Amino acid sequence: DAGVTQSPTHLIKTRGQHVTLRCSPISGHKSVSWYQQVLGQGPQFIFQYYEKEERGRGNFPDRFSARQFPNYSSELNVNALLLGDSALYLCASSYDLYNEQFFGPGTRLTVL
Amino acid sequence: QKEVEQNSGPLSVPEGAIASLNCTYSDRVSQSFFWYRQYSGKSPELIMSIYSNGDKEDGRFTAQLNKASQYVSLLIRDSQPSDSATYLCAASGQNFVFGPGTRLSVLP
Repeated sequence: DAGVTQSPTHLIKTRGQHVTLRCSPISGHKSVSWYQQVLGQGPQFIFQYYEKEERGRGNFPDRFSARQFPNYSSELNVNALLLGDSALYLCASSYDLYNEQFFGPGTRLTVL
Repeated sequence: QKEVEQNSGPLSVPEGAIASLNCTYSDRVSQSFFWYRQYSGKSPELIMSIYSNGDKEDGRFTAQLNKASQYVSLLIRDSQPSDSATYLCAASGQNFVFGPGTRLSVLP
């Protein structure tokens, strides 16, 4: 069975640019969550989507947005990139809102 | 503000010993609790979930939950060098909240 997939694996952008990260959940999972992880810290919650609706938003600026598609895949968009946005961006899928979450390999974003 | 705290590391144990990892959470709404293992440069991997008070065992791993004390722990028996990683505790209420992680080193 395929696990959670994310693309791209690595990305280098410059300040002010825009980035789109993509995630495909485990087959049958209806919820996707996005996290930001900087070195030495635990994952910080950004968004959770369930059945294509936003069901949770973390303490991130409006430059961060996301959506979930009818096939339950999701994308995370970040506008006006800052140096501080450099991090590992993790996508996790779960069957519903409260069950175990399974992580994809992550996208390493570097902002120069 | 919901918070999950973990015992500060790094934690070093000799091979074959028991490693004890602790976690406390502030949100009494949290109902489900999870332990993840994260190797350097990799994404978190789920190793245990626990939903009710008491102990849950899976192989060399035992998770313990005490909702009255808002405390979750993970015991790793017969620790192996391959267990060396960062262990993340997560609490699920309205959303998942992760602790900062505890780095474990198992010394051969």
